[in-house]
Order: sequence, then structure tokens, then C-alpha cells
Amino acid sequence: DVKVTQSSRYLVKRTGEKVFLECVQDMDHENMFWYRQDPGLGLRLIYFSYDVKMKEKGDIPEGYSVSREKKERFSLILESASTNQTSMYLCASSIRPERHNEQFFGPGTRLTVL
Amino acid sequence: GQNIDQPTEMTATEGAIVQINCTYQTSGFNGLFWYQQHAGEAPTFLSYNVLDGLEEKGRFTSFLSRSKGYSYLLLKELQMKDSASYLCAVLDSNYQLIWGAGTKLIIKP
Repeated sequence: DVKVTQSSRYLVKRTGEKVFLECVQDMDHENMFWYRQDPGLGLRLIYFSYDVKMKEKGDIPEGYSVSREKKERFSLILESASTNQTSMYLCASSIRPERHNEQFFGPGTRLTVL
Repeated sequence: GQNIDQPTEMTATEGAIVQINCTYQTSGFNGLFWYQQHAGEAPTFLSYNVLDGLEEKGRFTSFLSRSKGYSYLLLKELQMKDSASYLCAVLDSNYQLIWGAGTKLIIKP
């Protein structure tokens, strides 16, 4: 079974702190994604990566950056956390090509910024 | 812009049938996914449609009409464990997934 793990289920940080969210998948997937999920809104794509050291902006990249130094690991970085970044963060991975292939999700990290 | 619409919430009775609709307007189309998400958990894949028609998996059936920009997920013989949110997502011309806000399904005994 595909397994996608995220470093924390719950995280509380203060405004202005630098926050690292880690995601690891164990199925050698090429694609990895970071989403945020807020009530009443669909999943919104923050960043994605198709390969090591490769990254592409999603729909809402502002205030975030990412790092993919190894194929299995995709990190999301909040350089200076703000209260409007309080959200559920979901990491996902999939194989290529994207057609037919579902994304496998991690359990999510619920981040609260005070 | 790109848009996916699905009802916010639906209620159904255990043992009954429920249909969750999804309409979409996207730049291109490369398939439509349905995911299930229990409260506090990650979404999990249910079905994928790329051609018009039905895809059946046990108690769940998904339907697609590309000309109408319309899909539905049909759940039969509802069980309490089917209480969850159901997310519709479309793969657009750039192979990016566009997500609906999800439909929260409440099952009553």
C-alpha cells in the first residue's frame, strides 16, 4: 500500500515564526503536491513537484515555499507564519502520467497560527 | 474561470440510495475523480471517469456526461460508515486537478 506520511498531525505556531511541514511517500512517486483545505472551499493547490529539485507554483503560492531535495520528500515552508495561514495542510503524491492516476494523500497537518 | 459545483450538504437514511451531483466548467477535460473524506482524515480515491457513462464499484456508481459538464456519484444500500464528505475533482487541460468544495453526506438511522 502507498503510504504518505506527514511530520505532524497538529501544530501551533506564533505569527512570524518559520514553519516547516514535511511529507514523505514510500512508493517512488514522481509527483508530489501540497494543498490547503479550508471549510467551504475546495482543496487549493499551493505548490507541486514533478521531479527532484523541481517545483511549480499552484493557485495560492504566496507566503509559501517548497523544497524537494529527494524524490520521496517534499517540504512546505512558511517563511513567516500569519494567522490567515491557519488551515489543514494536505500532502499528496501520484505516479506519472497524471491521467488515470489518483493522488494518495497523507493524514494532514492542522496548523494553527496565533 | 474554472468552477466545480456540488451541494454543500445532503442527508439520507441508512439502507437508502443517494445521488450526489457535480457540475463543472474547466479549461479542458482529462477526467473526473470522486474522493471520499471522513472527518479529520485524508481524502481517499473512489472513482475515475474519462468517457461518458457509468463506472461501478460495489455499492458506488459514478456517471459522466462530458457534453453537459456533469457527473454524479450514486451510493446504494447506505451504511452509517458512508457518512463523509465526497469531493469531485476535474483534471484540466494542464493535468491539474480542480477540486469542488465537497458534499457532506449525513446518514441517519
